[in-house]
Amino acid sequence: EDKVVQSPLSLVVHEGDTVTLNCSYEVTNFRSLLWYKQEKKAPTFLFMLTSSGIEKKSGRLSSILDKKELFSILNITATQTGDSAVYLCAGPFNAGGTSYGKLTFGQGTILTVHP
Amino acid sequence: GAGVSQTPSNKVTEKGKYVELRCDPISGHTALYWYRQSLGQGPEFLIYFQGTGAADDSGLPNDRFFAVRPEGSVSTLKIQRTERGDSAVYLCASSLTNLGVGADTQYFGPGTRLTVL
Repeated sequence: EDKVVQSPLSLVVHEGDTVTLNCSYEVTNFRSLLWYKQEKKAPTFLFMLTSSGIEKKSGRLSSILDKKELFSILNITATQTGDSAVYLCAGPFNAGGTSYGKLTFGQGTILTVHP
Repeated sequence: GAGVSQTPSNKVTEKGKYVELRCDPISGHTALYWYRQSLGQGPEFLIYFQGTGAADDSGLPNDRFFAVRPEGSVSTLKIQRTERGDSAVYLCASSLTNLGVGADTQYFGPGTRLTVL
């Protein structure tokens, strides 16, 4: 059965720290992996990864995919209190051969950044 | 342009009542998805629309749940005879296309928090 597991489930750091969030997956037909940031209610798109070893970067956030070892990491450097949120990993993991994006989400990592 | 919008932002109802939740996707997005998120969990897929038709409703938990998208834009999720277990945040998302990786990049609305007393 396709599944996605995120770790840690929660993380507490201080401003300025660097954090690494993990997402491991087991899928039958991999197509893409996505990271979202969720503050309050709406998940906000961060990255979509399709190829191994190619880092996606946006400001202090970066992400990379390892299709051989079936995981992805999301790095946040020089964390700020505004980075406090739930970070979700997702992908069309249960879509099988379908073309559309029926996303399966991990449980999420709750990141808390203290001043 | 405007993002995905959902109304109401919060809905409190009594067990057994009927509720409707509305989603207005990003203009020009052909694919629309509904997800449900319980506390401490990631969103779970409910139903997917391509245009006006529900292409996949395999995530709807039972026949009390129904969704429509009559003109291929706004969608309404309808829940009959609500139960306390239906309490959750209902999220709507849209994507520009329904094919391949273009379908995977989904933009979410702020959700409707449904509370069934």
